[in-house]
Amino acid sequence: DADVTQTPRNRITKTGKRIMLECSQTKGHDRMYWYRQDPGLGLRLIYYSFDVKDINKGEISDGYSVSRQAQAKFSLSLESAIPNQTALYFCATSEKTSGMETQYFGPGTRLLVL
Amino acid sequence: GQNIDQPTEMTATEGAIVQINCTYQTSGFNGLFWYQQHAGEAPTFLSYNVLDGLEEKGRFSSFLSRSKGYSYLLLKELQMKDSASYLCAVRAPNYGQNFVFGPGTRLSVLP
Repeated sequence: DADVTQTPRNRITKTGKRIMLECSQTKGHDRMYWYRQDPGLGLRLIYYSFDVKDINKGEISDGYSVSRQAQAKFSLSLESAIPNQTALYFCATSEKTSGMETQYFGPGTRLLVL
Repeated sequence: GQNIDQPTEMTATEGAIVQINCTYQTSGFNGLFWYQQHAGEAPTFLSYNVLDGLEEKGRFSSFLSRSKGYSYLLLKELQMKDSASYLCAVRAPNYGQNFVFGPGTRLSVLP
């Protein structure tokens, strides 16, 4: 079974709709992240959480909100979707260590906003 | 601000060697990572450098020069399955200890 899972894998929605993307992990990591990926722009950080009671805005948080329901679950919501939120969304986890901290990515959610 | 640059695309021949460069300007530095991402899939970790020099891992090697804000990923004995995007990322302490990603380099390996 995959360590980091995302649901749904693909989603088509209309402008103005509220949608939620979900992320679950079995790695036992405290840190979780949401990124979006657009062609030519690389991965950009939307929100991150270093533990259950910690939520922080990333580079491009406008139009998004998150909820850390448990150590293993981190959800991303688009309150009122707009077409320029069409992108590939990745959830990632990492574990705080004294040295190298590698991120582990989920399989991604492809979102199309019409 | 945070800025990472990589070439957009590269092409190489099966069996050859290719070097993918990455330059960075970030608020602080706490390690540089290379990830491989096949089309439509999740990025997967390839290598990590925090000190200057070369790190070798099988067919892949990664080099870092902190004074120059420069890294490269070297892929030897290229195989068709190496066709993918390669992402350079820097962990920046002054960016909430988060990772700043470059735009990625799409490598095509031709027979």
